[in-house]
Amino acid sequence: SQTIHQWPATLVQPVGSPLSLECTVEGTSNPNLYWYRQAAGRGLQLLFYSVGIGQISSEVPQNLSASRPQDRQFILSSKKLLLSDSGFYLCAWSPNREADTQYFGPGTRLTVL
Amino acid sequence: AQKVTQAQTEISVVEKEDVTLDCVYETRDTTYYLFWYKQPPSGELVFLIRRNSFDEQNEISGRYSWNFQKSTSSFNFTITASQVVDSAVYFCALSEAGGNKLVFGAGTILRVKS
Repeated sequence: SQTIHQWPATLVQPVGSPLSLECTVEGTSNPNLYWYRQAAGRGLQLLFYSVGIGQISSEVPQNLSASRPQDRQFILSSKKLLLSDSGFYLCAWSPNREADTQYFGPGTRLTVL
Repeated sequence: AQKVTQAQTEISVVEKEDVTLDCVYETRDTTYYLFWYKQPPSGELVFLIRRNSFDEQNEISGRYSWNFQKSTSSFNFTITASQVVDSAVYFCALSEAGGNKLVFGAGTILRVKS
């Protein structure tokens, strides 16, 4: 069966510091990978998605970037965090088929102070 | 453009009551997919159901049931005999055929009181 991991689970960072959140998937190959952010309130915002190694699509211009160095690894980064980067970051994967179900990881709760 | 509307911001019920969560969607595609997810207090989104636009048959899974009506562009979710463990935020989402992205509604907070 497939499993998706995210770490760290929680993170408190000062404004201006760098960020690296990691997501890995087990039990599948060539998945589509996604990063979402859920800010205060409930809405889910798609940040990035990837259909293959090195292939990143950005949905919202912002302070963040994403990379996919390996087939089942997806990294979310920032060089300098802003207060507005605080939120709950969710990674998801789906089979590499159109409109297939996305399965979410446990999330990382980021607080920027 | 695709859009999902969950007009109910928050619903509170007493345990054992039935509750229906509404979802209305907009799309120009003839082929699309609809989803429901549950987000308990732990935060992880849990997949509940995926339905394609050609399958209008209602679905029942235990206490959960879904009513898909293309005529009204709705995909409503009913929990029968609600339990405290059903307390969560519920999201409806839409994906176009040939696409990789989900468009989420704003979510409905369900509070079930004992």
